[in-house]
Amino acid sequence: EAGVAQSPRYKIIEKRQSVAFWCNPISGHATLYWYQQILGQGPKLLIQFQNNGVVDDSQLPKDRFSAERLKGVDSTLKIQPAKLEDSAVYLCASSLLAGASDTQYFGPGTRLTVL
Amino acid sequence: RKEVEQDPGPFNVPEGATVAFNCTYSNSASQSFFWYRQDCRKEPKLLMSVYSSGNEDGRFTAQLNRASQYISLLIRDSKLSDSATYLCVVNMGTGGFKTIFGAGTRLFVKA
Repeated sequence: EAGVAQSPRYKIIEKRQSVAFWCNPISGHATLYWYQQILGQGPKLLIQFQNNGVVDDSQLPKDRFSAERLKGVDSTLKIQPAKLEDSAVYLCASSLLAGASDTQYFGPGTRLTVL
Repeated sequence: RKEVEQDPGPFNVPEGATVAFNCTYSNSASQSFFWYRQDCRKEPKLLMSVYSSGNEDGRFTAQLNRASQYISLLIRDSKLSDSATYLCVVNMGTGGFKTIFGAGTRLFVKA
């Protein structure tokens, strides 16, 4: 079974530029998560989708970050404009259902460096 | 106070040692609990779920104390391959939930 796919794997941009990340969850998984992991910290949930609806985006900096999950499958996360403090690994995860006990499967992440 | 707090680490142990990690959480309405493992520059992977009755998977034992809002992970007979960061994960909330990760505890197992 194919895992969670993410692209690109690495991205280097200058501050104030825009960037977009793409995630393809495991086939059939209803719930999709985007996390930000800063070096030395645990992942921080940015947004959670169930199918194509947003369940939680309380920690998403909405002045610069946006995310969508069209058709309830693939998802994109965008940062516009980027700041130095956005340098981090952006992880996408998916789970089969929407229950709190469901296992989350993570993709390899996109490592963003903002100069 | 952080919503999920873990031992700061790092833990440096010899092969064959027993090591225990602790984790506390702040929200008494938390629904489910997990330990994830993250290797250097890799994504987190589920190690085990944590159940109220405690559960064991080979050399790994996880326990949950809801009254004290405390989770633990015990690793017996440590192997070199156990070297990694161990992340405590709590799904908090009533009805819906939000996933909160601890900062992780780094383990180094040495020969």
